[in-house]
This record gives sequence, C-alpha cells and structure tokens, in this order.
Amino acid sequence: KAGVTQTPRYLIKTRGQQVTLSCSPISGHRSVSWYQQTPGQGLQFLFEYFSETQRNKGNFPGRFSGRQFSNSRSEMNVSTLELGDSALYLCASSLPRTGGNTGELFFGEGSRLTVL
Amino acid sequence: AQSVSQHNHHVILSEAASLELGCNYSYGGTVNLFWYVQYPGQHLQLLLKYFSGDPLVKGIKGFEAEFIKSKFSFNLRKPSVQWSDTAEYFCAVRGGYQKVTFGTGTKLQVIP
Repeated sequence: KAGVTQTPRYLIKTRGQQVTLSCSPISGHRSVSWYQQTPGQGLQFLFEYFSETQRNKGNFPGRFSGRQFSNSRSEMNVSTLELGDSALYLCASSLPRTGGNTGELFFGEGSRLTVL
Repeated sequence: AQSVSQHNHHVILSEAASLELGCNYSYGGTVNLFWYVQYPGQHLQLLLKYFSGDPLVKGIKGFEAEFIKSKFSFNLRKPSVQWSDTAEYFCAVRGGYQKVTFGTGTKLQVIP
C-alpha cells in the first residue's frame, strides 16, 4: 500500500512569489491535514480537509490556502511568500474517526520550501 | 482549545539508560493521545497511541506510555535506550473531532 506522497520534495522561491504543494493520501483515506514544521516550533496546524470540505483551520494568515479534490488529493498554496515561510510542509492522511479508528495521522516526507 | 506541552527540548542519554519524556495536554473532554517519532532524514511515524481502555499502551521498539487522566499526562518511557533511538519525539492530542495538536518535540540523543 503506497504511503502519503508529497510533491515537490524541495523547492526554492523568492519573496513575493507563490507556491503550490501537492499531496496524495493513502488510498481510502479521505481526510488530509497540513502542518508547517520549523525548528523549535514543532508542527503548526494549517488545515484539515475531509471529503473536499475544510473541517479545521489553524491560525495562519490568509496567504495560506488549501483545497481537496474529489479523489482526496489535496493542494496547499502560499501566496506572496515571506522569508518566514521557509519550512518543511507536511501532509498527513487519516481514516475517519468511526468504527474504532483513532484518526491517527500518516505523514508524507514533506515539501521543504526555502524562501530567499 | 486543546494544547500539548513537552517539558524536555533536548535529552542526552547513554546507551542502556532509561528514558522518560514528559507530555501534558489540556482538553476538557475525551482525548486520543499519540507519540510520533522522526528519525534523522525520515518522515514522522506513529510510535504508539491511546484511544480507550488500558491506560498503559505499548508501541513499537519497546516504547510504552501511560495515560494518567487526573494529571493530563501521557509520558513516554523505555527501560533501556539504544543508539538507534536517536530521533525527535512528538506528543500529540486529538480532542473530540478537533485537529491533532502537536507538542514542540523532544530531541533525544543517545551516546554509544
């Protein structure tokens, strides 16, 4: 069973540009969450999608947006990039919290964004 | 709102020493609790989880954690660490149908 796949793995952008990151969840997982990981800050929650609907949203500015498609694949977009957006962006998929599932997250390897 | 606090940011141990990493959470209702591990150069993976039932849960690689509801704690333990346990460890909580909230992580360095 394939894991969570994130593309691209690495990218370098300059301030003011925008970026789109993609995530393909594990087959059968309809929930996708996005996190920003930076040294010392741990994982900061961005958003969670389930069946194309945003279910939860973190405390990030409106420059950060996301969406989920009917095949459960998800994208996140960051517009007008700032130096502080440099981070590892992690995508995680999960099964719904029903039928005894705990809703544990399965993570991809992340997309490392560097903003110059 | 739920939150997670990990008390140790950086822990250095010699091989065969015992490990206990602290984790406290805040949430007023039923919770699911997790410990994730991130080995150098690898993606985050689940170490163990608490859903319900026995508060002492066992995970992979000899790790265990105890849920103490009265203390809002979910500390991670291992009786004897190995060099291969060098990694960053994250405690996480999900209350109700909320997002999964992570602590800031604890970097464990095991010296051979």
